[in-house]
Amino acid sequence: NAGVTQTPKFQVLKTGQSMTLQCAQDMNHEYMSWYRQDPGMGLRLIHYSVGAGITDQGEVPNGYNVSRSTTEDFPLRLLSAAPSQTSVYFCASTTGTLTGELFFGEGSRLTVL
Amino acid sequence: RKEVEQDPGPFNVPEGATVAFNCTYSNSASQSFFWYRQDCRKEPKLLMSVYSSGNEDGRFTAQLNRASQYISLLIRDSKLSDSATYLCAVSRMDSSYKLIFGSGTRLLVRP
Repeated sequence: NAGVTQTPKFQVLKTGQSMTLQCAQDMNHEYMSWYRQDPGMGLRLIHYSVGAGITDQGEVPNGYNVSRSTTEDFPLRLLSAAPSQTSVYFCASTTGTLTGELFFGEGSRLTVL
Repeated sequence: RKEVEQDPGPFNVPEGATVAFNCTYSNSASQSFFWYRQDCRKEPKLLMSVYSSGNEDGRFTAQLNRASQYISLLIRDSKLSDSATYLCAVSRMDSSYKLIFGSGTRLLVRP
């Protein structure tokens, strides 16, 4: 089973560049989310989606856009990268509400110079 | 103040030791509670959910104290393979789609 797949696994950007982190899940999960993880800060929720066509902001949404055109895909767009966005990004999914297990992708390590 | 707080550690214990972690949450509307395990440079994976009555899974016991707003994780007979970072996570009744994580507690089990 593929589960949650994130690409790319590693990326280096220059300040001001834009890029999209891809996330796909093959478990027919309604709920998908993006977190960033920084040393000493834990996982912080960026954006989430409860179904195709529905997205909402998390704790740290500024500088990021998302869309959910299909159940399977939930891309995260960095509009104009800044060094403060250097982080490890995790995509996650689950069924329904958060009473069950959240399945994570392997992470995308982004460095902004 | 962070909504979910954990002692970052590291907790350095010998094999066979019993170790306990606490995690405090500030919002009384929190309704679901979890412990995740994260190995170095890997993604978090669910270790166990935390139920009101407490629950046990082998060497791991999780408990919830709603009055004092904390959850705990007890690991008995620690193994070298238990070395990892343990993250607690909480969701609220008024926003059940937002799972809020603590910053994690690092455990090192030495031979």
